[in-house]
Amino acid sequence: RKEVEQDPGPFNVPEGATVAFNCTYSNSASQSFFWYRQDCRKEPKLLMSVYSSGNEDGRFTAQLNRASQYISLLIRDSKLSDSATYLCVVNPRGSFGNEKLTFGTGTRLTIIP
Amino acid sequence: DTAVSQTPKYLVTQMGNDKSIKCEQNLGHDTMYWYKQDSKKFLKIMFSYNNKELIINETVPNRFSPKSPDKAHLNLHINSLELGDSAVYFCASSQDPGAASYEQYFGPGTRLTVT
Repeated sequence: RKEVEQDPGPFNVPEGATVAFNCTYSNSASQSFFWYRQDCRKEPKLLMSVYSSGNEDGRFTAQLNRASQYISLLIRDSKLSDSATYLCVVNPRGSFGNEKLTFGTGTRLTIIP
Repeated sequence: DTAVSQTPKYLVTQMGNDKSIKCEQNLGHDTMYWYKQDSKKFLKIMFSYNNKELIINETVPNRFSPKSPDKAHLNLHINSLELGDSAVYFCASSQDPGAASYEQYFGPGTRLTVT
């Protein structure tokens, strides 16, 4: 089983719709979770961290389910500019030293006018 | 103004050559990384340095040798390039790895093509 798994998509969604992605992780000791966004031929950029209680940033909502070992990202009222690849990222250890982030392969989202 | 910069942006070279990619960050971060993103877009960490010391080496062939002259720079030297080395290489930096906010800032990437 991969450390971090995502549905690669593509998800083709009409503008204004709501879209949700899930991501599963294999290491139950994982402590930190993130969603990064990567535009075509660009570098990844942090979209938002994912907190245990769930968190919201504008149209974006992230949830963590530790029992089932998955995180989710919900995008409401999607915009054309939301078209990108969304990378699920897990810090498998969450402790001092020897940190590394494990990236999923990404979910490709295209918003259709 | 660029937070994390890499040079060159594109690198086309023949098998067997030796090449270097340079990375610099002006964010004052202590930790820097090299990632490889292959043709399937899978982003995988290669190395991590904290304050010029190697802290992660992810079973990368020893043809790859990172060098950190100071904490603002992490260069990647690759010997005897192979076709399978073709990929996009991203440099990144972050604050102390133990910091609660663990955002990594990525450079624009170096697209390496080995022919």
